[in-house]
Amino acid sequence: QKEVEQDPGPLSVPEGAIVSLNCTYSNSAFQYFMWYRQYSRKGPELLMYTYSSGNKEDGRFTAQVDKSSKYISLFIRDSQPSDSATYLCAMSGPGSARQLTFGSGTQLTVLP
Amino acid sequence: NAGVTQTPKFRVLKTGQSMTLLCAQDMNHEYMYWYRQDPGMGLRLIHYSVGEGTTAKGEVPDGYNVSRLKKQNFLLGLESAAPSQTSVYFCASSPPGQVLNEQFFGPGTRLTVL
Repeated sequence: QKEVEQDPGPLSVPEGAIVSLNCTYSNSAFQYFMWYRQYSRKGPELLMYTYSSGNKEDGRFTAQVDKSSKYISLFIRDSQPSDSATYLCAMSGPGSARQLTFGSGTQLTVLP
Repeated sequence: NAGVTQTPKFRVLKTGQSMTLLCAQDMNHEYMYWYRQDPGMGLRLIHYSVGEGTTAKGEVPDGYNVSRLKKQNFLLGLESAAPSQTSVYFCASSPPGQVLNEQFFGPGTRLTVL
């Protein structure tokens, strides 16, 4: 079993839809939960992160962490064609030797 | 400020050939990483470095070697390329002192081994 599992997609939605992207993990030591966005043929970029449990909102994006269930989500409201990308969850914690553990990524297409 | 740059952008090799991928960063970051990205596999760590002159193995180190002779550069070598090493290779760097460990990625090198 992988340490981080991510819904593989691909996911295709109409413009304006609410998108939910999800990851589960097994390592209870993870403390930082990140979402990277990767446009086609580009490197990943950090979109947002959450420390421990709870929600964090940034414009149309909301990151949610439920440590009791070992489940994280990224919600995109009013999705736009410019949101079309691959979204990777990533996690880190003490003792991770400065490493991130990534999910496999979900490819999202927002249709105009 | 160019961030993280990678050379070359594309390369086609024949089985058994060798090559070196170069990563350079101008952000004075201590930590540098090499990943490979394959469909359905996400990013897998090959090797990483926590400072000049140091290297360590990641999740999938076999068939690769690295060197960090200068703080700003991290080289990834393939001594005898195999078709299984066909992939997109990403370099990343991160500053010290962050538990978050935000990593900044380069644009990638697309490698095909025939």
